[in-house]
Amino acid sequence: DAKTTQPNSMESNEEEPVHLPCNHSTISGTDYIHWYRQLPSQGPEYVIHGLTSNVNNRMASLAIAEDRKSSTLILHRATLRDAAVYYCILRDAARSGNTGKLIFGQGTTLQVKP
Amino acid sequence: DAGITQSPRHKVTETGTPVTLRCHQTENHRYMYWYRQDPGHGLRLIHYSYGVKDTDKGEVSDGYSVSRSKTEDFLLTLESATSSQTSVYFCAISESPGLNTEAFFGQGTRLTVV
Repeated sequence: DAKTTQPNSMESNEEEPVHLPCNHSTISGTDYIHWYRQLPSQGPEYVIHGLTSNVNNRMASLAIAEDRKSSTLILHRATLRDAAVYYCILRDAARSGNTGKLIFGQGTTLQVKP
Repeated sequence: DAGITQSPRHKVTETGTPVTLRCHQTENHRYMYWYRQDPGHGLRLIHYSYGVKDTDKGEVSDGYSVSRSKTEDFLLTLESATSSQTSVYFCAISESPGLNTEAFFGQGTRLTVV
């Protein structure tokens, strides 16, 4: 099974960039890398996803290593509202099948200090 | 924000009583999911639906049943609630099960079984 490894927690200062790492050394060629976050007392929220190339959207950027064994979620300017648990999830056909289910790990708890 | 409404948002019930949680969507997405979230376990899939009257089990389906009589509603029923079913329940929707498709989550229902 393709699995991900993330640090349990990270700290950042407000208005500074944050780089959240994710290791997925057993990733296969068709696995998509997804990131979700969960703010306190809320449901998970989609952030970004990619396959091979780096991706940018209004929330964040996703940098994917050339060998795809790791990726980094980049928040360009952290705000207090970005304090959340960030989940790196591999979407693969073997584990998701035709269900579309998401398999969550423990994620990284990001603290943002004013 | 995706139109997903979970009801109730909070519920306290007694052991042995039946409980039904409702998920309502206004996005006309075909796929709907019920997850539960517990400390130390992250989010785990209970049941999912891939269309009206089409449902299947997830990884922690024992003690739960679901129904989907309309595209917009997905009901989760605990036939006889137990203390081990105390949890936060999240509904999610997705347009398709594709690996590059995002999911949208509701705000959650906090259920306490006493």
